[in-house]
Amino acid sequence: DSGVTQTPKHLITATGQRVTLRCSPRSGDLSVYWYQQSLDQGLQFLIQYYNGEERAKGNILERFSAQQFPDLHSELNLSSLELGDSALYFCASSVTSGLRYNEQFFGPGTRLTVL
Amino acid sequence: QQPVQSPQAVILREGEDAVINCSSSKALYSVHWYRQKHGEAPVFLMILLKGGEQKGHDKISASFNEKKQQSSLYLTASQLSYSGTYFCGTGDQTGANNLFFGTGTRLTVIP
Repeated sequence: DSGVTQTPKHLITATGQRVTLRCSPRSGDLSVYWYQQSLDQGLQFLIQYYNGEERAKGNILERFSAQQFPDLHSELNLSSLELGDSALYFCASSVTSGLRYNEQFFGPGTRLTVL
Repeated sequence: QQPVQSPQAVILREGEDAVINCSSSKALYSVHWYRQKHGEAPVFLMILLKGGEQKGHDKISASFNEKKQQSSLYLTASQLSYSGTYFCGTGDQTGANNLFFGTGTRLTVIP
């Protein structure tokens, strides 16, 4: 158990809908990262937040957005869902950002299925 | 920005050794290695930094060639528990710690 929690574990929805994925980082971790894992794309970095502020952006679609709240939990919002958005979405956390590289602790993931 | 890993898959017998390679077309500032077992989350193995600093797993070693923009993960005397998909992730110069992962190497250890 990494200490990172994600809810829900599974989500099934229809095309065009909007969903919210939730992540609680390990106690004390200020950075939260979101990754998308699909069969043909591997692990894709989406976005990172550090202490409530956006820190880095990867291959995140405009239909997707995220935020980190004062209690450090984070939410990833996916809208106008398409079949291709079906994937496993991981949240990870680490101690700090800045000029120091640290291990990331991954949550168990949310499996999203778009029908 | 995605690094390239090789081989894509490898099958070993217990006790055999393996090397997994990771290369990037861009300058590398850090290389992070993770292992993911089927249906589970990736788990941290090791970080290698420019200048030679490392931190990670006792039983797994890795190298980082900054000039060649490559890293290799060495798995010696493999055990059944080593099975899984290995990912290298590369960090950029900003130090933000976000990672761009390779497509993975599937390692299967058989008795």
